[in-house]
Amino acid sequence: GAGVSQSPSNKVTEKGKDVELRCDPISGHTALYWYRQSLGQGLEFLIYFQGNSAPDKSGLPSDRFSAERTGGSVSTLTIQRTQQEDSAVYLCASSLDFYEQYFGPGTRLTVT
Amino acid sequence: AQTVTQSQPEMSVQEAETVTLSCTYDTSESDYYLFWYKQPPSRQMILVIRQEAYKQQNATENRFSVNFQKAAKSFSLKISDSQLGDAAMYFCAYRSVQGAQKLVFGQGTRLTINP
Repeated sequence: GAGVSQSPSNKVTEKGKDVELRCDPISGHTALYWYRQSLGQGLEFLIYFQGNSAPDKSGLPSDRFSAERTGGSVSTLTIQRTQQEDSAVYLCASSLDFYEQYFGPGTRLTVT
Repeated sequence: AQTVTQSQPEMSVQEAETVTLSCTYDTSESDYYLFWYKQPPSRQMILVIRQEAYKQQNATENRFSVNFQKAAKSFSLKISDSQLGDAAMYFCAYRSVQGAQKLVFGQGTRLTINP
């Protein structure tokens, strides 16, 4: 079946602009995760959804970052007033049984 | 908080040879999961192998096996008969059984396969 998909694949934006990153999890997966991968910080957890609620938002780096999930499916990660340090690959993963997380191909965000 | 450490930023191996990637972790929990993920240049993280901490037997998946030493908090990955397609970044990851569902990753090891 279809895996986790993310769009766009690459995004270049100017400092100060807002961006939205989308994640389509595997159908039926109730858990969804966002991670950030950057050269300086490695792979960091951002937020976890169970259904439409987010019991763990502990990894969001600032209040410029927010995420939502609707219909227990698609999730959107929004970064407001982007800064150069936001440049990274944003990875989404989904899981059915809290055991194995399946990752998407990521969105590479470049802030100029 | 749990931490995961991979002390080898880069490793290389001749095709068909065996290579071992190291991983140590720190936790006060007694039950947890450990994973090795592979990330090729396509960026897609692929699960290679997983280990439940309560299991004493080391996990194996074809050419991939782990050496899980719970007391030493060590979780190394052995790749046998290395193939060109094994070239990638390899990440060790930890996940709690209870509570936080997030993966905690090590810094990664870049594996090069020499033909």
